[in-house]
Formats: sequence, C-alpha cells, structure tokens
Amino acid sequence: DAGITQSPRHKVTETGTPVTLRCHQTENHRYMYWYRQDPGHGLRLIHYSYGVKDTDKGEVSDGYSVSRSKTEDFLLTLESATSSQTSVYFCASLGGVGGGYTFGSGTRLTVV
Amino acid sequence: AQSVTQPDIHITVSEGASLELRCNYSYGATPYLFWYVQSPGQGLQLLLKYFSGDTLVQGIKGFEAEFKRSQSSFNLRKPSVHWSDAAEYFCAVGGDEGAQKLVFGQGTRLTINP
Repeated sequence: DAGITQSPRHKVTETGTPVTLRCHQTENHRYMYWYRQDPGHGLRLIHYSYGVKDTDKGEVSDGYSVSRSKTEDFLLTLESATSSQTSVYFCASLGGVGGGYTFGSGTRLTVV
Repeated sequence: AQSVTQPDIHITVSEGASLELRCNYSYGATPYLFWYVQSPGQGLQLLLKYFSGDTLVQGIKGFEAEFKRSQSSFNLRKPSVHWSDAAEYFCAVGGDEGAQKLVFGQGTRLTINP
C-alpha cells in the first residue's frame, strides 16, 4: 500500500559518475521533496517541487539537480558524484497544508 | 529561518518507564510542529502533529506531545515505553506559507533496556 516509492534502494557508484535517483508517488500530491540524512545532521532539504516543472533549491543543493515532468515522478540527479554525497536519500510528498509528509523508504547511496 | 534543536542525541530508558523527548524550535510565526519516528533501515513515520487548538496532541502508538509557546517547545511523551519503541525520533517545524518546507532536528536515538 506504499504511496511513495524510491528506486533504487541501494546503489554504489564511482566518483565522477552521474547518478539519478527516482521517486514515484501515487497520491497525486502537489509537493515533493528530496532530503539527505547524515549522522548528526538529521534530514536536510536538497530540492523541492511545488508542481510539475516547478522546483527550487533547499539548503544543501550544490551538486544536485532535480526534474519533475509529471506529478507522480520527482528525479534527483547527482551531476558528478563525490564521496561527500554518500548518504541516505529520502523522498517525501505532501498533499496540502498541514497534512504532514509521506516518506519513501530511502535510497542508500555510496560513492567510492 | 526556522530551526529545531533536539538536545538529547541518545536516551536510554527501561521498558515500562516513562519517556520524554525534548524539542525546541525557532519560528517567526505560528508553527506547524511534527514528530516522526524512524526504525532502522526504514523511512520516517508521522507520530503526531500540531497546528492550532488544544496544545496537548495525541498521536499513534500511545505518544503525546505538548506545545508550549512560551518555551518554544514541543516535547514528546509516553507514559510507559515498550521494547518496540526503540528507534530514532525526529522533531520538525514548518509553516503554512509557500511550499510547506519542513526543517528537522538532528534526531534522538532511543534505546530500551529490558
């Protein structure tokens, strides 16, 4: 009954390669978000979207880009992966004010 | 900009004991406040939320939280913890403007002793 899925769940990639993480939601939610989770930092916002083709930067957006061509899909791209981007990435969606986020299960990315 | 502080990185309590996890926030307007729980290897699950009205809110799994505007706090409580409550807990703050971005605290890891 997952309303939001992330793929892949795990990925190991080499420094300098591009990587794309996918988030897919079936809730028809307007807002979508990408966070990264690192020990001692909690979750930090990378990028977010407030509609199809409408995206904006979060607090840790350097080295990342996003695209949203359909309501249900929100892609996160690491343009040239670095070891500092080794992290767990979470996607979330929100239907409207006050609803609380729905989170995906996360993607564990290791850059070697 | 809003911010959230969870002063306790790690808390250990005995099964059956009461629990209080602290959360302090900074926000210029009336905040939307949330508590999430994350089990190992899992995503975050919403425990409860506060927007307005009664300052004591009830959530799932027997948790409650109290909003205290004068102290800028939103502490999470449970009268008697169970071993299954062992997890990481995140407090978050947001508002009703724009894209509803949430800012999360650093998290508190809860360990339960048998």
